[in-house]
Amino acid sequence: QKEVEQDPGPLSVPEGAIVSLNCTYSNSAFQYFMWYRQYSRKGPELLMYTYSSGNKEDGRFTAQVDKSSKYISLFIRDSQPSDSATYLCAIAKTGANNLFFGTGTRLTVIP
Amino acid sequence: KAGVTQTPRYLIKTRGQQVTLSCSPISGHRSVSWYQQTPGQGLQFLFEYFSETQRNKGNFPGRFSGRQFSNSRSEMNVSTLELGDSALYLCASLGLAGSSYNEQFFGPGTRLTVL
Repeated sequence: QKEVEQDPGPLSVPEGAIVSLNCTYSNSAFQYFMWYRQYSRKGPELLMYTYSSGNKEDGRFTAQVDKSSKYISLFIRDSQPSDSATYLCAIAKTGANNLFFGTGTRLTVIP
Repeated sequence: KAGVTQTPRYLIKTRGQQVTLSCSPISGHRSVSWYQQTPGQGLQFLFEYFSETQRNKGNFPGRFSGRQFSNSRSEMNVSTLELGDSALYLCASLGLAGSSYNEQFFGPGTRLTVL
């Protein structure tokens, strides 16, 4: 069983829509929660990271962590065609630099 | 500030051969991690190096090895290549974010195809 499971998608939405991307994990030892975006033929780039529970907002992006249900989400408001990419959730334990990644959700935003 | 550099970007090898991939981290970063990305398994952690020492290792066979040099550049080696080793190999440079989590910056990867 993988440490983190991610909704596989793919997801196709019209421009301007609100996008919800989700992951679940099983081990409560994980304290750091990240979202990466990966464009085709590129390496992943970090969008946001959250420590423990709560929300974090950065522009059109909001990351949400619910440690009680072991559920992490990324919301994208007013989605743009440039948001079309694969989104990866990742988790890490305190003091450990090895990340556990979800398999990714491919998002397409249609103009 | 220059990003993470990986060479070569593309590589084609045949089964049984060995391959060496190179990664130059962001200037000033001393820690490098390697990941394998495949369509079926996603990104999986291979190993992490800090100050020329392997600090952590993922669940991969001994055919996968790495090393880090005094200038923080890192190489990974895969011996006796198998078809299943075809993947995108990503290197991540770890910066210090003032907390116990080190923000990781990924390079563009090396696409390895084993025929």
